[in-house]
Amino acid sequence: GAVVSQHPSRVICKSGTSVKIECRSLDFQATTMFWYRQFPKQSLMLMATSNEGSKATYEQGVEKDKFLINHASLTLSTLTVTSAHPEDSSFYICSARVDLAGANYGYTFGSGTRLTVV
Amino acid sequence: LAKTTQPVSMDSYEGQEVNITCSHNNIATNDYITWYQQFPSQGPRFIIQGYKTKVTNEVASLFIPADRKSSTLSLPRVSLSDTAVYYCLATSGTYKYIFGTGTRLKVLA
Repeated sequence: GAVVSQHPSRVICKSGTSVKIECRSLDFQATTMFWYRQFPKQSLMLMATSNEGSKATYEQGVEKDKFLINHASLTLSTLTVTSAHPEDSSFYICSARVDLAGANYGYTFGSGTRLTVV
Repeated sequence: LAKTTQPVSMDSYEGQEVNITCSHNNIATNDYITWYQQFPSQGPRFIIQGYKTKVTNEVASLFIPADRKSSTLSLPRVSLSDTAVYYCLATSGTYKYIFGTGTRLKVLA
């Protein structure tokens, strides 16, 4: 089946630095990917929709200059948390839309990245 | 997108059948009902999807009544490893997935 690989699985960074998270579709092409953030004991919150070759669409309240999204190829989307602060510590999850046969679609999720900002 | 409502948490014992009900009163004609399972520190995993009546796969069954305003995920004979959060979503084609609160299922020995 369709697999999304997310890397790194966990990262610790110092406050003020930037961190890049990669999301790759391994055996399919993903024109659309999504980035979510999840705080402990809470649900997934959609941050942005990433479209290959175009600018990402951010959800209300998500700072586009802080969470830079690049979807330069059909198999790779990256999320860069710039000037990270402790409140950015969270679990970040990407998802890719899988184009199935007959105009049907599925969504598969990466394994997530645990970001800790110290 | 239709909002979904689920119980916040449920407890069950090993070997029992667990039914988790999801309410989606404003579901649109094009929406499917999709359920995901999430373990701690992992991404959600697809369980089952349906449009109406009953769908069954190797891990679960999904019951959707004719009015489609609710649905029930049925997990037969749960084990400790089924302890997870289960999310019900109303999904439509290429549109983004919005997650509700989910149901935290705890399976007890």
